[in-house]
Amino acid sequence: SQTIHQWPATLVQPVGSPLSLECTVEGTSNPNLYWYRQAAGRGLQLLFYSVGIGQISSEVPQNLSASRPQDRQFILSSKKLLLSDSGFYLCAWETGSTGELFFGEGSRLTVL
Amino acid sequence: AQRVTQPEKLLSVFKGAPVELKCNYSYSGSPELFWYVQYSRQRLQLLLRHISRESIKGFTADLNKGETSFHLKKPFAQEEDSAMYYCALSGRNSGTYKYIFGTGTRLKVLA
Repeated sequence: SQTIHQWPATLVQPVGSPLSLECTVEGTSNPNLYWYRQAAGRGLQLLFYSVGIGQISSEVPQNLSASRPQDRQFILSSKKLLLSDSGFYLCAWETGSTGELFFGEGSRLTVL
Repeated sequence: AQRVTQPEKLLSVFKGAPVELKCNYSYSGSPELFWYVQYSRQRLQLLLRHISRESIKGFTADLNKGETSFHLKKPFAQEEDSAMYYCALSGRNSGTYKYIFGTGTRLKVLA
């Protein structure tokens, strides 16, 4: 069966420090991968999505970047965190056949 | 521009009352619409998709292309329906895998 893992689950970082959130999918190949930020009252904001290795679509110009070095690995990064980067980040995947998204457990980032 | 709008942040109904969660969308191509639900302390999960035309947990949703709406309905609300509901749109029918969500509606079913 397919599974999706995100880590770390919780992260507290100082302003100006780098960030790396990792997402890995198991049990499927060539998934479409997504990064969202979830905030109360603002829903799920699509940040990046990827349909293949090295293919990244950016939806919101900001302080973050994404990479897909392997078929089932999706990484969210920042070189220098801002206070406004604090939030709950969700990774998700879909096969492209049914359209259903499967979500990870999420990573809560607090920037101080 | 691609957009999903859920006008209600919170909807409170009594148990046994009908429920309608509103969703409107803006999309130039042929969208695929979904409803997702997040119960307390659980992951976000698919509730239903317009293409299936199915009823899940008593919920139904009909895609109205004329009104660009995809409202979620249930004739008799149950307490276990209390959760956060998100409407979502995928552009995969139009050749893009961009997948966006609305801001969500919290449904509270009162005893």
